[in-house]
Amino acid sequence: AQKITQTQPGMFVQEKEAVTLDCTYDTSDQSYGLFWYKQPSSGEMIFLIYQGSYDEQNATEGRYSLNFQKARKSANLVISASQLGDSAMYFCAMREGGNDMRFGAGTRLTVKP
Amino acid sequence: NAGVMQNPRHLVRRRGQEARLRCSPMKGHSHVYWYRQLPEEGLKFMVYLQKENIIDESGMPKERFSAEFPKEGPSILRIQQVVRGDSAAYFCASSPTTGGTGELFFGEGSRLTVL
Repeated sequence: AQKITQTQPGMFVQEKEAVTLDCTYDTSDQSYGLFWYKQPSSGEMIFLIYQGSYDEQNATEGRYSLNFQKARKSANLVISASQLGDSAMYFCAMREGGNDMRFGAGTRLTVKP
Repeated sequence: NAGVMQNPRHLVRRRGQEARLRCSPMKGHSHVYWYRQLPEEGLKFMVYLQKENIIDESGMPKERFSAEFPKEGPSILRIQQVVRGDSAAYFCASSPTTGGTGELFFGEGSRLTVL
């Protein structure tokens, strides 16, 4: 069963604007972690942000914030003030206790100048 | 303070040959995960290993694929008798402990091309 769902195969955003990338997940565990990774065209996986299931506040890392809605099982990534260098694939992932990390299919973000 | 090291970064094989991909986890990490990424797709879990033990290989094809993480040396993902469908990026990740929900640290990937 698919555990991580990213419904936006591709997104466009104007430079300097904010963009939200959607992610929903499915788990029956109480303890889990949610992650966003960026994969530029060069191919490496770059960790962006982490949200623990028990964290009450939304995680923020610079221009990245994670809109965590536990009851809805959603963990959307918000990128503020988009830059051309933000153009990349973005993957949402979840790790349940002691297990491997499962990834969504990804969203390709294109920032327009 | 080296991160996860994978080699080779690029590997070309002809159908029927063997491919060996190596992964050295971050210093102090004893847990290794292998993922496969087909073009334009997300990462798919293959196998999770600790030193000298395979913990979960539920994502690995039953035939031609094997993985090990010996007491000494890197983890190795081995693909025998490669076929064109094996062409993909193979990522290794490591973590320091088990039972956690924290970050996995990824290598830069090994890109296998099967001719």
